[in-house]
Amino acid sequence: DAGVIQSPRHEVTEMGQEVTLRCKPISGHDYLFWYRQTMMRGLELLIYFNNNVPIDDSGMPEDRFSAKMPNASFSTLKIQPSEPRDSAVYFCASSGDSFNEKLFFGSGTQLSVL
Amino acid sequence: DAKTTQPNSMESNEEEPVHLPCNHSTISGTDYIHWYRQLPSQGPEYVIHGLTSNVNNRMASLAIAEDRKSSTLILHRATLRDAAVYYCILRATLDSNYQLIWGAGTKLIIKP
Repeated sequence: DAGVIQSPRHEVTEMGQEVTLRCKPISGHDYLFWYRQTMMRGLELLIYFNNNVPIDDSGMPEDRFSAKMPNASFSTLKIQPSEPRDSAVYFCASSGDSFNEKLFFGSGTQLSVL
Repeated sequence: DAKTTQPNSMESNEEEPVHLPCNHSTISGTDYIHWYRQLPSQGPEYVIHGLTSNVNNRMASLAIAEDRKSSTLILHRATLRDAAVYYCILRATLDSNYQLIWGAGTKLIIKP
């Protein structure tokens, strides 16, 4: 398996534009997580899905952020409209369904909002 | 929520053992202790995890205190490639849903 695949690797956009980040989890994994990482706040869980269903989105900053998982092999995180404070590295991770399962992270998307 | 506490940074010499401590005094009986590390410009990667007994794998060893309120990640012979931020995490359930609660991490500096 190629691991968790995220795209794009880097995204530079202007304030007010819509940004869509994409993630392909490892096949067979039941859980998918979206994290955001900044120097100030570290790693923050934004939302996670179990079997394509959003379970906890309490970490989503505000209504400008939305996430979907239309099927087991694809998820998106959308920011509309984007703001400079959204600049961060966004990670997607997936795992199997048990306490004993480890998280596999993608390489991340470096987002810069100018 | 169960939380972990780690030192902000640690230094070690190359080819020497490294002991990275983590306190988790509010851990519950079903919480697994996970360790991940993050190399520069990469996503976190799994290192090791355990519940009650000490664990060994090819990367490291995990020593868990008898009362489970603390644990120590042991790198037996650190190399320059082990320089990273190490996260001690509790994988817990909250209302039957899985949670992964991240600490601030320890930045490990390896001196040649």
